[in-house]
Amino acid sequence: DVKVTQSSRYLVKRTGEKVFLECVQDMDHENMFWYRQDPGLGLRLIYFSYDVKMKEKGDIPEGYSVSREKKERFSLILESASTNQTSMYLCASSPNTRTGFRNTIYFGEGSWLTVV
Amino acid sequence: GQQVMQIPQYQHVQEGEDFTTYCNSSTTLSNIQWYKQRPGGHPVFLIQLVKSGEVKKQKRLTFQFGEAKKNSSLHITATQTTDVGTYFCAGRNAGGTSYGKLTFGQGTILTVHP
Repeated sequence: DVKVTQSSRYLVKRTGEKVFLECVQDMDHENMFWYRQDPGLGLRLIYFSYDVKMKEKGDIPEGYSVSREKKERFSLILESASTNQTSMYLCASSPNTRTGFRNTIYFGEGSWLTVV
Repeated sequence: GQQVMQIPQYQHVQEGEDFTTYCNSSTTLSNIQWYKQRPGGHPVFLIQLVKSGEVKKQKRLTFQFGEAKKNSSLHITATQTTDVGTYFCAGRNAGGTSYGKLTFGQGTILTVHP
């Protein structure tokens, strides 16, 4: 089974702090994603990466950055956390569709971040 | 950019009643996926539809993809308490990059009263 592991399940941070959310997948997937989930807004894509050291902005990248130094690891960084970044953050991975594999997205358990 | 709208946002049913959620895209999709998120859990893949007019069934769940590949629906027959959760559709733009980027709908939260 595919496993996507997010390092922290619950975090409480202060406004202005730098926050790191770590994600590791064990299926050698090319693509990795960071979403945030808010009531009534569904899942919104923050950033995605289709290869090591490659990244693309999603729909709501402002206030976030990402790092992908190794294929299995994708980190989300909040340079200066703000209260409007209180949310649930979901990491996900999928194989590269160009190879013809089923391109299901596999999600981690989620990280609940509260910024006070 | 691509938008995927999902309705209704909430649905409360009595156990045994049917339930349907609808998904509409502003652009033509290459495929659409459906996910279920149990309360407190993370989204889990249910199914993918690729062909125009495609209909797939999983036990009491019926998934349809519209002829124009711009809309989809999920219908649950005779709901059970185990069906509780949020159902998301997610569409991939036709002609877009093949990197796997999906646009999710807002989700429908289903509550089933025993």
